[in-house]
Amino acid sequence: RKEVEQDPGPFNVPEGATVAFNCTYSNSASQSFFWYRQDCRKEPKLLMSVYSSGNEDGRFTAQLNRASQYISLLIRDSKLSDSATYLCVVTAGGTSYGKLTFGQGTILTVHP
Amino acid sequence: DVKVTQSSRYLVKRTGEKVFLECVQDMDHENMFWYRQDPGLGLRLIYFSYDVKMKEKGDIPEGYSVSREKKERFSLILESASTNQTSMYLCASVKAGRYGYTFGSGTRLTVV
Repeated sequence: RKEVEQDPGPFNVPEGATVAFNCTYSNSASQSFFWYRQDCRKEPKLLMSVYSSGNEDGRFTAQLNRASQYISLLIRDSKLSDSATYLCVVTAGGTSYGKLTFGQGTILTVHP
Repeated sequence: DVKVTQSSRYLVKRTGEKVFLECVQDMDHENMFWYRQDPGLGLRLIYFSYDVKMKEKGDIPEGYSVSREKKERFSLILESASTNQTSMYLCASVKAGRYGYTFGSGTRLTVV
């Protein structure tokens, strides 16, 4: 079983749509959770951290359910510029020296 | 602007060659990482380092070694390149205790 599992998509949505991505992780010792974004042929960049209480950053909302080991990302009012691969990321747990485990990514394409 | 710089964007090497991939960061980060990224498999950790001369194996270290003689530089070495090491290689760094990686722009290595 992969440590972090995501639906690879692709998700094709029109501008203005709301889209949700889900992710599950297997390591119950993981303490911190993130979403990274990777544009085509570019490096990944941190999008936002994910907290148990849920957190919002503009049109983006992230949720964490520790009991179910489940993470989600909601994008409202999608823009063309949101087209990218979204990576679900968790810490390795324990003395990890900042080590992160990445999901394989979910591809989002927003069309006019 | 803070940066992680990878020495080459594209490389083509022959099977059996010894290959050096260089990564330099200018942010005084303690932790540095080498990942490879392949379609359908996502980012997989090869090696990481949390201090000068310190190194730890990641999930797929076989066929690779690393060197960290200076804090700002982390080198990945393919001892004898093979075709299954054809991939995108990404270097990342982060301050100790943090998780917002800064990635380099990647090196696309083709082994023929």
